[in-house]
Amino acid sequence: EVQLVQSGAEVKKPGESLRISCKGFGYSFTNYWISWVRQMPGKGLEWMGRIDPSDSSTKYSPSFQGHVTMSSDKSISTAYLQWSSLKASDTAMYYCARGLWGSDFDYWGQGTLVTASS
Amino acid sequence: QSVLTQPPSVSGAPGQRVTISCTGSSSNIGAGLDVHWYQVLPGTAPKLLIFGNSHRPSGVPDRFSGSKSGTSASLAITGLQADDEADYYCQSYDTSLSGYVFGTGTKVTVL
Repeated sequence: EVQLVQSGAEVKKPGESLRISCKGFGYSFTNYWISWVRQMPGKGLEWMGRIDPSDSSTKYSPSFQGHVTMSSDKSISTAYLQWSSLKASDTAMYYCARGLWGSDFDYWGQGTLVTASS
Repeated sequence: QSVLTQPPSVSGAPGQRVTISCTGSSSNIGAGLDVHWYQVLPGTAPKLLIFGNSHRPSGVPDRFSGSKSGTSASLAITGLQADDEADYYCQSYDTSLSGYVFGTGTKVTVL
């Protein structure tokens, strides 16, 4: 069974760093891109960017370029999303999702709630 | 910023038919890129509802259907049920942005 399992909820202070993870099960992890999607409280879905786990190449949405970093470790079938300095406005639910160029996102992680508050 | 526009809300009585539009442009839907639809129930991750404009994944009832024409797409829900109350999003790929794009989202309310 294909699954994407994300790390647990995080509560951090603005200015702190954070890395969340998304681990793939039940399929060849390097055969699909992993995208990250943000949903701020009460708002819609926003595509942040994607990583190709086969070579760790990335493509970021212009809205998120420079604010987050995506990485992956294919040896443990895990993708990461990280912030070097969180802002209060980063408070949101973050989802990872599996897909390919131009395709749908057929499997999603359960979401990681990130709260950045002083 | 969303480049796919949806109505903020639609509503209908149980058993009725509702439709949700998704309007894009020549760099996404109009460029021949597929449109996909997701259902987001409160407190849950998005669920793929329609892929490739009109195809249903296994397990999705045939009350849900999708279509595409020109620079727009539509999701129809027939025989509306109480548990269809959710947010619905369209999604495509944009060649100008070289990335995925989501619609603005539509809240479906069952009266």
